[in-house]
Amino acid sequence: AQSVSQHNHHVILSEAASLELGCNYSYGGTVNLFWYVQYPGQHLQLLLKYFSGDPLVKGIKGFEAEFIKSKFSFNLRKPSVQWSDTAEYFCAVNEGNTDKLIFGTGTRLQVFP
Amino acid sequence: GAGVSQTPSNKVTEKGKYVELRCDPISGHTALYWYRQSLGQGPEFLIYFQGTGAADDSGLPNDRFFAVRPEGSVSTLKIQRTERGDSAVYLCASSLDSATGQYEQYFGPGTRLTVT
Repeated sequence: AQSVSQHNHHVILSEAASLELGCNYSYGGTVNLFWYVQYPGQHLQLLLKYFSGDPLVKGIKGFEAEFIKSKFSFNLRKPSVQWSDTAEYFCAVNEGNTDKLIFGTGTRLQVFP
Repeated sequence: GAGVSQTPSNKVTEKGKYVELRCDPISGHTALYWYRQSLGQGPEFLIYFQGTGAADDSGLPNDRFFAVRPEGSVSTLKIQRTERGDSAVYLCASSLDSATGQYEQYFGPGTRLTVT
């Protein structure tokens, strides 16, 4: 069965630090990849997605992610975090012909001013 | 425009009771999904509707769980004989019709179910 691993469970950074959150998945076929974010008290919302093409994907709020097929990875990055980036971040994957999302366990990011 | 709405926002019930959780998707979205999120975990897929029919119910944990979407819009997740292990946040999401899995799923605020 497909699975998604997020190895960083809790990350604490100061403002302006760089961020990289790891995500690895287990499925070997065609996949669609997503990062979702949940700000405190808010719904899950999409940060960015990868379906095909350029493996470097840019999302909202200055986030980007790189799909490395050989490593089954889709790591999320941001060069300079802000206090407002404090949230929980979820990596998710679905197979190329299905709609159900398989989520990782999430990474809680705390950014201090 | 209006997003996905879920009612109630919180539900406390006693072990063994029956509960219904409601989801109103975004207007025009034909796909509707239910997920369950336990503390410290990511959302876990339960069931997916395309129109009125359940296209994939492989995530339902057992036959105490059932979901319907009779008119292709509002959906109700029904849980019979609730157990303490059913306590979780139940999330609903909707998306445009898709056979490729490439449309964004828009999530609701969730219903927090507590079984005492």
